[in-house]
Amino acid sequence: DIQMTQSPSTLSASLGDRVTITCRASQAIRSHLNWYRFKAGKAPELLIYGASYLKSGVPSRFSGSGSGTDFTLTISSLQPEDFATYYCHQSYITPHTFGQGTRLGIK
Amino acid sequence: QVQLVQSGAEVKKPGASVKVSCKTSGYSFNIFGVSWVRQAPGQGLEWVGWISAADGNTKFAEKFQGRVTMTTDTSTSTAYMELRSLRFDDSAMYYCARDLEGVAAPPSFDYWGRGTLITVSS
Repeated sequence: DIQMTQSPSTLSASLGDRVTITCRASQAIRSHLNWYRFKAGKAPELLIYGASYLKSGVPSRFSGSGSGTDFTLTISSLQPEDFATYYCHQSYITPHTFGQGTRLGIK
Repeated sequence: QVQLVQSGAEVKKPGASVKVSCKTSGYSFNIFGVSWVRQAPGQGLEWVGWISAADGNTKFAEKFQGRVTMTTDTSTSTAYMELRSLRFDDSAMYYCARDLEGVAAPPSFDYWGRGTLITVSS
């Protein structure tokens, strides 16, 4: 199985801050990397697909980059609803696997 | 709008089975697949498997092979996941998600349900 290593596991930041989360795959996955936001009591949301494509309707403060094994998710200016947990996900090969998550909290 | 509405929480005894439903709306059900993902308390996300609503083809994570069944009912646009021989460590939130495998490249899970909490307790 492809292992996805996500960092950091926790992150504290303030409203308006720029934050970056990284995800590394144990083998090359081309651009088959997606990012999701999880908030308690809500349906998880797809933010970025194909490593760098913003899902329609997702605010432009979210961006993704990378290919091969190394990927990043950047939030340019944190909003209140962004304090949540983020996961990367490889869809290159089954079984699909996920990073262990980054919990983004308010500083 | 695309919606996936899951069935309610359940409590089961070890060795029992559970069947979770995922009723979809807002799109052509038989074009897309559905993946199931679970998250045990305090743990990460684990992919359980996938079913094509077009032809019923399935793929499962190896650890669930033989213990999970995924089906669809195209007349009600509903996907189902049944897990048998439940163990304590099957206690988790189970999510369904619309899977773009075979529809878009690269694939992703573009819409999710809110999850169904399954508790295995004696």
